[in-house]
Amino acid sequence: DQQVKQNSPSLSVQEGRISILNCDYTNSMFDYFLWYKKYPAEGPTFLISISSIKDKNEDGRFTVFLNKSAKHLSLHIVPSQPGDSAVYFCAATQGGSEKLVFGKGTKLTVNP
Amino acid sequence: GEEVAQTPKHLVRGEGQKAKLYCAPIKGHSYVFWYQQVLKNEFKFLISFQNENVFDETGMPKERFSAKCLPNSPCSLEIQATKLEDSAVYFCASSHRDRGRDEQFFGPGTRLTVL
Repeated sequence: DQQVKQNSPSLSVQEGRISILNCDYTNSMFDYFLWYKKYPAEGPTFLISISSIKDKNEDGRFTVFLNKSAKHLSLHIVPSQPGDSAVYFCAATQGGSEKLVFGKGTKLTVNP
Repeated sequence: GEEVAQTPKHLVRGEGQKAKLYCAPIKGHSYVFWYQQVLKNEFKFLISFQNENVFDETGMPKERFSAKCLPNSPCSLEIQATKLEDSAVYFCASSHRDRGRDEQFFGPGTRLTVL
């Protein structure tokens, strides 16, 4: 049973526009959420995180929104750049374990 | 070092052979995690360490997989008698953790191919 779901396997956007990547989770014990970006043949790279006590966290072009009641989070990238093209993974963890539970990823393509 | 290092980059084994993978975490990081990525996009947690102590091993297939993190040595993940289904990319990650919730930094992975 998948506890973290990314229902869109792929997303294509135009350079300069907003990219919105979505993630849903089922385990209400998750209290920390992270987004990772992955290029082929490389390890995932940390992008941004959010604690369950917050509903928004912003870092430059990246903003993560958390809706606890809906068990939903999203990553906004504004403006999108061709270098943002990669697979984006949503991950969640709960206190006491620290292991990351990953979604299956969304492949983002930003077209020039 | 400033990056998580994993060796080897690629490993090919015949079914039934042993495979050993190594991970050097970022200096000062006290937590090490191993993940297995099968079919490109499925990450599965295997085991984590706090310094040299096992922290969480709920993801480890007990029969053939073992792991260690000894002082002053790279961490290792060993698979005895590999099977075809063990073919995957194995990622190691480390985190500081003692600073509170902290992100995990991943190495480049070791691609294991079992023939």
